[in-house]
Amino acid sequence: DIQMTQSPSSLSASVGDRVTITCRASQGINEFLGWFQQKPGRAPKSLIYDASNLQSGVPSRFSGSGSGTDFTLTISSLQPEDFATYYCQQYKSYPYTFGQGTKLEIK
Amino acid sequence: EVLLVESGGGLVQPGGSLRLSCAVSGFTFSDYYMDWVRQVPGKGLQWVARSRSKPKGYTTEYAASVKGRFTISRDDSKSSLYLQMNSLKTEDTAVYFCVRGHNSFDLWGQGSLVTVSS
Repeated sequence: DIQMTQSPSSLSASVGDRVTITCRASQGINEFLGWFQQKPGRAPKSLIYDASNLQSGVPSRFSGSGSGTDFTLTISSLQPEDFATYYCQQYKSYPYTFGQGTKLEIK
Repeated sequence: EVLLVESGGGLVQPGGSLRLSCAVSGFTFSDYYMDWVRQVPGKGLQWVARSRSKPKGYTTEYAASVKGRFTISRDDSKSSLYLQMNSLKTEDTAVYFCVRGHNSFDLWGQGSLVTVSS
């Protein structure tokens, strides 16, 4: 199975900050990488697919990059509604696997 | 409006069975791969199973932890996805999400809680 490792596991930041979350795959996954946002008690929401493509309706302050084994999710200017847990996920091969999550908290 | 609505969760004893359903509206269900993803409360996400669309022969994939015990199926005429769960274990306790497998996992239901406990 492909292991997905996110860093950091938690992060404190302030409104307006630029934030970057990293995801590393245990083997190359090309660009078969998605990012999700989840708020407590809610279903995950897809933000990005194919490493860098924004899902419809997702604000442009979210961006993704990377290929192969190393990927990043960047939020250019944090908004209050962005405080949540973020997950990466590979869909290069079965079983599809997720990172352990990064909890983004208000400083 | 696009909706994925799960139902069928609840409390079941170890070794028991349960069938989850997902009713879909707002898009052409038959065109898409569909998946189940689960989440132990307070923990991370785990992909469970996939059902491919008719052009791909409705073929399926499973996570190793559920293979042989769970069966994913679909009824395109009813725009519905199912997960038959047999021989349930305490470690299957989780919220189960119905997910559209397009552009990664682009649409999610609200989830259905399955609790396996004696």
